[in-house]
Amino acid sequence: DAKTTQPPSMDCAEGRAANLPCNHSTISGNEYVYWYRQIHSQGPQYIIHGLKNNETNEMASLIITEDRKSSTLILPHATLRDTAVYYCIVRVGSSSNTGKLIFGQGTTLQVKP
Amino acid sequence: GAVVSQHPSWVICKSGTSVKIECRSLDFQATTMFWYRQFPKQSLMLMATSNEGSKATYEQGVEKDKFLINHASLTLSTLTVTSAHPEDSSFYICSASPLTGGTEAFFGQGTRLTVV
Repeated sequence: DAKTTQPPSMDCAEGRAANLPCNHSTISGNEYVYWYRQIHSQGPQYIIHGLKNNETNEMASLIITEDRKSSTLILPHATLRDTAVYYCIVRVGSSSNTGKLIFGQGTTLQVKP
Repeated sequence: GAVVSQHPSWVICKSGTSVKIECRSLDFQATTMFWYRQFPKQSLMLMATSNEGSKATYEQGVEKDKFLINHASLTLSTLTVTSAHPEDSSFYICSASPLTGGTEAFFGQGTRLTVV
């Protein structure tokens, strides 16, 4: 079973920030929080990941609470092309390529004009 | 980011025939690749872990004799759906992580299988 809980759907106005929450209250100390998104009929796309510090890249920012039990993915200026299903996943991260991704139901983000 | 390619992107086959789907890491090597299946309006479900040079590891409830996995090299894994039936119609997706570098997984574009 997935170890994360996300709202099933959210709307966001184009140009505004989209804040997608995720609960992962049973996360272990060596588990990272990963975010992926899936646009209809395509493979998932990696967005960002973090362990305990906040992270930012060209796509998004990841805010992880101090107790690590929840996190928020922030798309600073949502566009129509950001409409997708967003998945929050916890997994063991390592320098090797082990670690399975167990997908939950994700959040369907609808960006509206 | 790293590129994972699947072939074919879509395939239609007759019931009872077998279909092979390829997953290639184009610019990196991977000892482990993962195969997922996704039904309409559902999330991805992990089917199996493909291990280079050894047997695949299947998730509970996935028939290993029906979904044959071969990982012959560090850049190629294949999934063969044997004796396909209409209920096998689905979106099949593979993923891989580079041996070196970051820990994120990269996904193929998926293969839409329709069994008629």
